[in-house]
Amino acid sequence: GAGVSQSPSNKVTEKGKDVELRCDPISGHTALYWYRQSLGQGLEFLIYFQGNSAPDKSGLPSDRFSAERTGGSVSTLTIQRTQQEDSAVYLCASSLGGGYRPQHFGDGTRLSIL
Amino acid sequence: QQPVQSPQAVILREGEDAVINCSSSKALYSVHWYRQKHGEAPVFLMILLKGGEQKGHDKISASFNEKKQQSSLYLTASQLSYSGTYFCGTERDYGQNFVFGPGTRLSVLP
Repeated sequence: GAGVSQSPSNKVTEKGKDVELRCDPISGHTALYWYRQSLGQGLEFLIYFQGNSAPDKSGLPSDRFSAERTGGSVSTLTIQRTQQEDSAVYLCASSLGGGYRPQHFGDGTRLSIL
Repeated sequence: QQPVQSPQAVILREGEDAVINCSSSKALYSVHWYRQKHGEAPVFLMILLKGGEQKGHDKISASFNEKKQQSSLYLTASQLSYSGTYFCGTERDYGQNFVFGPGTRLSVLP
């Protein structure tokens, strides 16, 4: 497929467990963004990767959240010791580069913490 | 710093026009506009760069006033398919400090 792919599409887990969310960007896109969207709310920026530059982690809400991007392609967002307030849709977007480039979004992962 | 969007919500009848505003207290490099339908991912509409410009396609257009650091999205002769939440995203420098506004919920009724 040509679009941004996220997996899993849905994840239900118990409080305190760790979760990993995966994002496959569009081939050739050097920029990758993670956002969090709580029910009925806006898009909260989490982290931004651009090429080989150091990622912009300024939006990560706590040290329980981390992300990596391997080989400039696939990215994994990890949430450790999940809390109920982590429940949200996690969206990934990619673009051809930072700056005036459209972001293409995946369908998101709906995370529910019991 | 998150841009401000207004109005928060608007209800229209099919065929009516609407304007959504996005403003920032900081100098901007670019403004992006996206539309998100319920249960779906946001979809890109257009990008405007500093220098002041206007863009449009079909009946949706936008402008960027660099002096005011404000962008406006214009929806003309609205259609039912225009319903959704519109987000502006602002960038203060090339590839930096990108942040979305809180969104404007648009409902178009028949």
